[in-house]
Amino acid sequence: EVQLLESGGGLVQPGGSLRMSCAASGFTFSGYAMSWVRQAPGKGLEWVSGISGSGISTYYADSVKGRFTISRDSSKNTLYLQMNSLRAEDTAVYYCAKLGGTSCDSSLDYWGQGALVTVSS
Amino acid sequence: DIGMTQSPDSLAVSLGERATINCKSSQSVLYSSKNKNYLAWYQQKPGQPPKLLIHWASTRESGVPDRFSGSGSGTDFTLTISSLQAEDVAVYYCQQYYSSPFTFGPGTKVDIK
Repeated sequence: EVQLLESGGGLVQPGGSLRMSCAASGFTFSGYAMSWVRQAPGKGLEWVSGISGSGISTYYADSVKGRFTISRDSSKNTLYLQMNSLRAEDTAVYYCAKLGGTSCDSSLDYWGQGALVTVSS
Repeated sequence: DIGMTQSPDSLAVSLGERATINCKSSQSVLYSSKNKNYLAWYQQKPGQPPKLLIHWASTRESGVPDRFSGSGSGTDFTLTISSLQAEDVAVYYCQQYYSSPFTFGPGTKVDIK
């Protein structure tokens, strides 16, 4: 059974940093691309970032480019999202999601339960 | 960037009746050489993460009831729930995975009339 468990969320001040983690199990981690998707309170889904199965290719939404960094550690079956220079508008539930293939041009077939990040002073 | 729009914003349908949601992309998401539309539909119920319903525009994910169907090609797509059930109350999103950033539509809320 595929399981994705996010951690690392919490309250952070504007301008601060946070690192999200997503522990994956139930599938061959290195064989699949992974993504982060966020949802601001009461709003729709926003794709944030994606990384290929090999980790070589990474992609970002314009809203986070230059501030967020996606990475993965296949030895730990873990996906990361390093978030710097956080803004109030980054406040959201952050979901980790597995893609259906090794590259990011795939649908998101499994999702974690999400972790809340609140950016506020 | 490919922009995604959905219509309507919300709809209320009687139990057992058909619900139709439209999704439009600002440019084609059809990869001609593969003859595949890079378009997915997701269902999100309150307090839950999204769930993949359909990918490649019309391929139902394993375990998804056959009352859900997807159609369309190029820039215009439709999700149809042929006979609405109470458990189908949710927000439905389309997403293109043709090119980065892999954008979602704004969502369509489906309720019972």
